[in-house]
Amino acid sequence: NAGVMQNPRHLVRRRGQEARLRCSPMKGHSHVYWYRQLPEEGLKFMVYLQKENIIDESGMPKERFSAEFPKEGPSILRIQQVVRGDSAAYFCASSPVEGLSNQPQHFGDGTRLSIL
Amino acid sequence: GEDVEQSLFLSVREGDSSVINCTYTDSSSTYLYWYKQEPGAGLQLLTYIFSNMDMKQDQRLTVLLNKKDKHLSLRIADTQTGDSAIYFCAVPNSGGYQKVTFGIGTKLQVIP
Repeated sequence: NAGVMQNPRHLVRRRGQEARLRCSPMKGHSHVYWYRQLPEEGLKFMVYLQKENIIDESGMPKERFSAEFPKEGPSILRIQQVVRGDSAAYFCASSPVEGLSNQPQHFGDGTRLSIL
Repeated sequence: GEDVEQSLFLSVREGDSSVINCTYTDSSSTYLYWYKQEPGAGLQLLTYIFSNMDMKQDQRLTVLLNKKDKHLSLRIADTQTGDSAIYFCAVPNSGGYQKVTFGIGTKLQVIP
């Protein structure tokens, strides 16, 4: 499967635990975007990363949330000390090249995070 | 920043045409996109239109762009039950890279 791979598909955590969401971009893509989708809401941009660099994290909460895209391996979205309000679907998208706006973002199937 | 608006819900009978509308506030001269999300799945790129075009047709899909009014629409001809999904309009922001703003999504319900 050459698409964007996210895992796990479903993740259940108790309040106060940590959640780690992984995203492997499409082959040949070096740009990764994370979005959050709350029930009955649209997609909200969180962060845009290239390999080893955070380019734009303007949509990410200042506390408890962090993201990385290391030189090797998948991109990770990390949520520390989760709260009930973090329950949402988290989507990752990738694109091949920055700045060329005819390159659409391709999405993974998402990770559905549930906080007990 | 960019603001993209869509109606929340549309219900049509099978075989009829569906028209999903989207308005936006600002856009660089690039492509504008329509994505489809089926239950439990991610967003699938459905079609797109370049901003110097007024219309693009792709089988049952027709995209209309009124750049002056900043209005984008997606028409689905002969709507089928398999078209039931949430449809997102996506508009690139003005800026140094392709940051995209998504509408809230229009939930299309097709009645058999």
